[in-house]
Amino acid sequence: QKEVEQDPGPLSVPEGAIVSLNCTYSNSAFQYFMWYRQYSRKGPELLMYTYSSGNKEDGRFTAQVDKSSKYISLFIRDSQPSDSATYLCAMSAGVRGGSEKLVFGKGMKLTVNP
Amino acid sequence: ETGVTQSPTHLIKTRGQQVTLRCSSQSGHNTVSWYQQALGQGPQFIFQYYREEENGRGNFPPRFSGLQFPNYSSELNVNALELDDSALYLCASSRGLANYEQYFGPGTRLTVT
Repeated sequence: QKEVEQDPGPLSVPEGAIVSLNCTYSNSAFQYFMWYRQYSRKGPELLMYTYSSGNKEDGRFTAQVDKSSKYISLFIRDSQPSDSATYLCAMSAGVRGGSEKLVFGKGMKLTVNP
Repeated sequence: ETGVTQSPTHLIKTRGQQVTLRCSSQSGHNTVSWYQQALGQGPQFIFQYYREEENGRGNFPPRFSGLQFPNYSSELNVNALELDDSALYLCASSRGLANYEQYFGPGTRLTVT
């Protein structure tokens, strides 16, 4: 079983839709949960991170972490064509968890159609 | 504030050759991590450098090696290139060991023929 599982899609939605992206994980040591956006032929761009369980909102983006279910989500409200990209979840146990590395999902390719 | 930069952008090498990739960290960042991203996959952690010392390594063979310089820029060296080394190599920088706030460069696309 992979440490981080992410449905690679692809996912196609109309402009204005609410998008839900999800990842599951198996390593209970993970404490930090990140979402990155990667446009074609570019490096990943950090959207937001969450520590431990809970919700975090930033503009049209909301990240949720449910550690009891080992499940994280990213919601995009009022999706725009410019949101079309690959979305990667990433997780880390952090220094106190004994591992500095980020573990990524495969990435979900999202297309928002005008 | 200058972001993370990487060079070269693209590189084509022959199997068995050696390659050096370079990364300049974002201003104020003293930690650099390297990742390999194969087509259609998420990035895989290679190793991390903090204050010029290796601070964690992923599941990559010793022919992947690195350096960090006093100005916190970094190099990734790969010896005895194999076809499977073809990938996008990403460098990310962060402040201290705050790995939850890593900022990535645009990557170097390496093709091994």
